[in-house]
Amino acid sequence: GNSVTQMEGPVTLSEEAFLTINCTYTATGYPSLFWYVQYPGEGLQLLLKATKADDKGSNKGFEATYRKETTSFHLEKGSVQVSDSAVYFCAPGGGGGNKLTFGTGTQLKVEL
Amino acid sequence: DADVTQTPRNRITKTGKRIMLECSQTKGHDRMYWYRQDPGLGLRLIYYSFDVKDINKGEISDGYSVSRQAQAKFSLSLESAIPNQTALYFCATSDNTYEKLFFGSGTQLSVL
Repeated sequence: GNSVTQMEGPVTLSEEAFLTINCTYTATGYPSLFWYVQYPGEGLQLLLKATKADDKGSNKGFEATYRKETTSFHLEKGSVQVSDSAVYFCAPGGGGGNKLTFGTGTQLKVEL
Repeated sequence: DADVTQTPRNRITKTGKRIMLECSQTKGHDRMYWYRQDPGLGLRLIYYSFDVKDINKGEISDGYSVSRQAQAKFSLSLESAIPNQTALYFCATSDNTYEKLFFGSGTQLSVL
């Protein structure tokens, strides 16, 4: 089955700093790739996705590019805000039965 | 109203008790899932169902059972709760394209 490795958190940044959260995966074939975000006290919600190599997913100022050669899908944002404080999960799709495999999550804390 | 509703939001119980967590959805999706979230372990799939007559074990199904009462309802049971089942439990749904999961707000279960 699929597996995914995310950088450990928590990641603490000052507002307007640049964010990178690393994600690498192993999978059979070329699955769709997803980033989910979990705000405090809530369930996960889809942040962005990419469905094929070199695709760039983007949403709310966040971006991630599907890198087939390095099997990576790193999440970036140029200028974080306090409201971005959350836990971020990388998830390759296409596991047996088309189930997602979630990473362990990376907690982001953004301070003023 | 939430599209995926979990009840209860919080539950404290004792070792050996039977517990049922309920999930209902108004998305009209065929596919439903139960995940467990533990600190440092991310989300792990317990059971999933692709339609009313279909039930499948996930990666950590031991000690759990499920019932798909209708397209919109999917319940998770702990027949005899034990302390290491203390966790945050999420229900999720997806359509048949599996492009996006929709999560409930979670049930925090504590087994004493």
